[in-house]
Amino acid sequence: EAGVAQSPRYKIIEKRQSVAFWCNPISGHATLYWYQQILGQGPKLLIQFQNNGVVDDSQLPKDRFSAERLKGVDSTLKIQPAKLEDSAVYLCASSNLGGNTEAFFGQGTRLTVV
Amino acid sequence: SQQGEEDPQALSIQEGENATMNCSYKTSINNLQWYRQNSGRGLVHLILIRSNEREKHSGRLRVTLDTSKKSSSLLITASRAADTASYFCATGGTASKLTFGTGTRLQVTL
Repeated sequence: EAGVAQSPRYKIIEKRQSVAFWCNPISGHATLYWYQQILGQGPKLLIQFQNNGVVDDSQLPKDRFSAERLKGVDSTLKIQPAKLEDSAVYLCASSNLGGNTEAFFGQGTRLTVV
Repeated sequence: SQQGEEDPQALSIQEGENATMNCSYKTSINNLQWYRQNSGRGLVHLILIRSNEREKHSGRLRVTLDTSKKSSSLLITASRAADTASYFCATGGTASKLTFGTGTRLQVTL
């Protein structure tokens, strides 16, 4: 069974530029998560999708971050414009039944904003 | 905001010793999960314990859950150098969110 795929693995951009991350979850998983993990901290939930609907985006900085999950499968997370404090690893995960079952994580995208 | 807090933040032990890390959380839960993260890599699920369970085992892992105290512990027995990683608890809430704690960094030395 293929795992969660994320791309790119690494990205370096200048502040005020825009960037997009892509995630392909495990086939058949209805729930998709995007987490932000700053070095030395635990993952922080940015947005959670159930199929193509948003379950929770309370911690998504909506003035600069946006995410979509077209057709309830792949998802993209965009930052525009980026700030220095956005430097982090962005993790995508998927699961069958939201927080009631285990989540499978991708390798993450390490973003550096300079 | 983080739902859980792990304690200790860092733990250093020798190979063969047992490692215990604790997690406290704030709100009611459906389940509590533990994950491992090796340096620079994604998180790997270790074990899930439901709110009506008190203890669960998986290989060298033992997890306990005390919902009255809103706390959980993860015990790794006979630690190996390969167990060196960060360990996170995550709570599965009634709203189906999965919220992570702050993590414990475990170092197992030879």
